[in-house]
Amino acid sequence: GAGVSQTPSNKVTEKGKYVELRCDPISGHTALYWYRQSLGQGPEFLIYFQGTGAADDSGLPNDRFFAVRPEGSVSTLKIQRTERGDSAVYLCASSLAGGEEETQYFGPGTRLLVL
Amino acid sequence: KQEVTQIPAALSVPEGENLVLNCSFTDSAIYNLQWFRQDPGKGLTSLLLIQSSQREQTSGRLNASLDKSSGRSTLYIAASQPGDSATYLCAVRMGTYKYIFGTGTRLKVLA
Repeated sequence: GAGVSQTPSNKVTEKGKYVELRCDPISGHTALYWYRQSLGQGPEFLIYFQGTGAADDSGLPNDRFFAVRPEGSVSTLKIQRTERGDSAVYLCASSLAGGEEETQYFGPGTRLLVL
Repeated sequence: KQEVTQIPAALSVPEGENLVLNCSFTDSAIYNLQWFRQDPGKGLTSLLLIQSSQREQTSGRLNASLDKSSGRSTLYIAASQPGDSATYLCAVRMGTYKYIFGTGTRLKVLA
């Protein structure tokens, strides 16, 4: 498809487990963003990639969260030792080059539930 | 620290009404402001993007205005339809890429 895709769409895991969430951006987009949306809230910025490098990871809540984008396209958000408070919808977005005039295109999100 | 507030939190209107959604932000040093629509269980769809130098943008039945100095934006929806039912989020862009979102307005348009 032409849009941003995310897998899995839903993930249920147990407290303490490790999870990986995948984002496929729009082809040719160099800028990729991860956000987290808790119930009833707006999305909160987690990390921004420009190409393969994380240009800003200031939104990652702690060192249990890590994200990679090794080839500058697909990105994986990794959460270690999951906690119940990590339950949220994780949204990925991409834009052409990260310019200020650009719209960010969002994927449908991955709903993570930590039991 | 930038804070974005949206009022009302929820709104229910009969079909055909014109309505206004409000967004306010505390730090006027923004690059742009964007309005998004979010349907239940879905991602965000961009509706309108207003650059910091602009005052308004229009798309079909939607009109968004921006008053940077007062830290306010409004989204005007004309002749509302049941298909407009969704959550509407405003977001301000700080720096060149980081968006700060409001908590949204949940709109229900009754047939």
